[in-house]
Amino acid sequence: DVQMTQSPSFLSASVGDRVTITCRASQSISSHLNWYQQKPGKAPKLLIYVASNLQTGVPSRFSGSGSGTDFTLTISSLQPEDFATYYCQQGYRTPPTFGPGTTVDIK
Amino acid sequence: QVQLVQSGAEVKKPGASLKISCKATGYTFTNFFIHWVRQAPGQGLEWMGIINPSGGRTVYAQNFQGRVTMTSDTSTSTLYLDLSSLRSEDTAMYYCARVRGYPTAPPYLDSWGQGTLVIVSS
Repeated sequence: DVQMTQSPSFLSASVGDRVTITCRASQSISSHLNWYQQKPGKAPKLLIYVASNLQTGVPSRFSGSGSGTDFTLTISSLQPEDFATYYCQQGYRTPPTFGPGTTVDIK
Repeated sequence: QVQLVQSGAEVKKPGASLKISCKATGYTFTNFFIHWVRQAPGQGLEWMGIINPSGGRTVYAQNFQGRVTMTSDTSTSTLYLDLSSLRSEDTAMYYCARVRGYPTAPPYLDSWGQGTLVIVSS
């Protein structure tokens, strides 16, 4: 299976901060990398698909980049509603696998 | 709009079986594969398997082989997840999620059900 890692596991930030989360795959997954946001008690929500494509309705402060094994999710200016847990997920090989998550908390 | 509406919470005893439903509306049911994903309390997301609602072909995660069955009913646009021989470690939120792209393009999960909480306890 393709193993996904994320860093950091936990991030404390302030409103207006630029935030970057990294995701690494144990082997090349081309650009088959997706990002999801999950708030407590809610289902995950798709933010970015195929590494850099913004899902319809997602604010433009979210962006994704990368290919191969290394990917990043960037929030250009953190807003109060962005405090949540973020997961990366590879869709290159079956089984699809998720990273362990990065929790973004209020500083 | 696309909606996946799941059945309500369940409390089961160890050794029992579980059946969860996921009703799809707002799109052509047979055009999109569905994943099932679960999340234990305070933990990450675990893939359980995928089903093609058109024809019912499935692929299950190794961890659930022999215990899980995924089915679809095209007459009601509803997916079902059956899990048998439940144990306490199966306590989790269970989600269905629609797959875009697959199998002809890079896949991603664009719509999720609200989740079904399953508690396994004696």
